[in-house]
Parts: sequence; structure tokens; C-alpha cells
Amino acid sequence: ILNVEQSPQSLHVQEGDSTNFTCSFPSSNFYALHWYRWETAKSPEALFVMTLNGDEKKKGRISATLNTKEGYSYLYIKGSQPEDSATYLCDPSGGSYIPTFGRGTSLIVHP
Amino acid sequence: GAGVSQSPRYKVTKRGQDVALRCDPISGHVSLYWYRQALGQGPEFLTYFNYEAQQDKSGLPNDRFSAERPEGSISTLTIQRTEQRDSAMYRCASSSATAPLITDTQYFGPGTRLTVL
Repeated sequence: ILNVEQSPQSLHVQEGDSTNFTCSFPSSNFYALHWYRWETAKSPEALFVMTLNGDEKKKGRISATLNTKEGYSYLYIKGSQPEDSATYLCDPSGGSYIPTFGRGTSLIVHP
Repeated sequence: GAGVSQSPRYKVTKRGQDVALRCDPISGHVSLYWYRQALGQGPEFLTYFNYEAQQDKSGLPNDRFSAERPEGSISTLTIQRTEQRDSAMYRCASSSATAPLITDTQYFGPGTRLTVL
């Protein structure tokens, strides 16, 4: 099971700001990384799955990049909106089907 | 159904009682995971089923915890002789993987909030 770190733990931004946060993991034995968006009182919802070094994925104003050699993934949100407020979880899988989630980054977007 | 469902959504029990938590995965999903989630933490893996076979139970904290999925669909997580430290959100997730492929997306249920008094 991988040691996963997400930073920052929480983030407050103003509506319209762009922001990004990080998921760090051991670069050895990497296989795939999932990002999930988790709103309070709801279930985590899958955003992206990435497998290749240099992968970039985009969904609306949210995008993600992956660097497997140095062991990190960035999640970017362009022009944050209040509805983007959620906890963003990453799950980097190290060749095992056992998911290992980070603690998440809690994003709050103030109107 | 349209998504993963869990029942009950909330369970309050007294220390020492047994509880059974149910997960109904998305129809046709063969992989099913159970997680425990403490406040402010990401989901912590408990156990995994592929069809009815429990492939991995390494995350179960102790032998008071058990899970089954007898017909490869609905699963039950049972906690015997509950303790206060068992209080947490218990979530299940399912995916369509026919074999444990870690690129497959998991779909999470709403969770059962367990409180042990």
C-alpha cells in the first residue's frame, strides 16, 4: 500500500481564482492514479484516471497532470466557482488493486 | 438501480452489539469494495470481492469484522461486539471490472454512518 500525501490539506479561494493542489506518491511501482471529487454529504465521484507519465486530462474547468517519474499529480481548477467546493481525493495505485486514498484537499470557494 | 446503495444510512448502536451493514452495488458490477472513513480522512480499504469471492481482506482491522457476498451481488459487512472505536462512515464501492484492474473507476455508495455509544 502506497504512502499518499495530498497538499494543501485545505484551501480557501475567491470565486474566479484559479487554483491547484498536489498528490504525491512513491514513484516506484506506479500503475494508475485516480482523482475523485467528494462533496460533503455525498459520495466520492470519479474525475480522472491517468496511467502514463505526462498524461493530461481535462473536464470542463478542471484538469490534471501526471508525473510518474517524480511521483506527483497536479489538479488544476480554472476560474473557481462556489460549486467547485469539495474535497478532492487522489488514489495512486502501485500495481495493486487495493486503493489507497490520500486525506484529500478540501477546497472552499468563496463567492 | 442507478447507483450504489447502502443501508441503513445511519446506525446507532450500543457497545457490544452486532451490526450488519448492507451494500447493493450497481447491477452487473462484479467488483465490490468496502471502506471505512474517519472524519477528515480519505477512505481506508477494508476488503474486496470479485463476484462472490473475497479476494482480499487484509484491511479488516480485526476478527470482529467480516464481510460476505454470497451471490456475487449484495454484500454485508458485519461488525461483532461493536466498540466505540468502530464509529465511522462505512462506504462501499463497485466497479465493472471482471478482474481487478486498477484503472477501472469505482462508484461509491452514500455510506452508512455508524455510531457506537
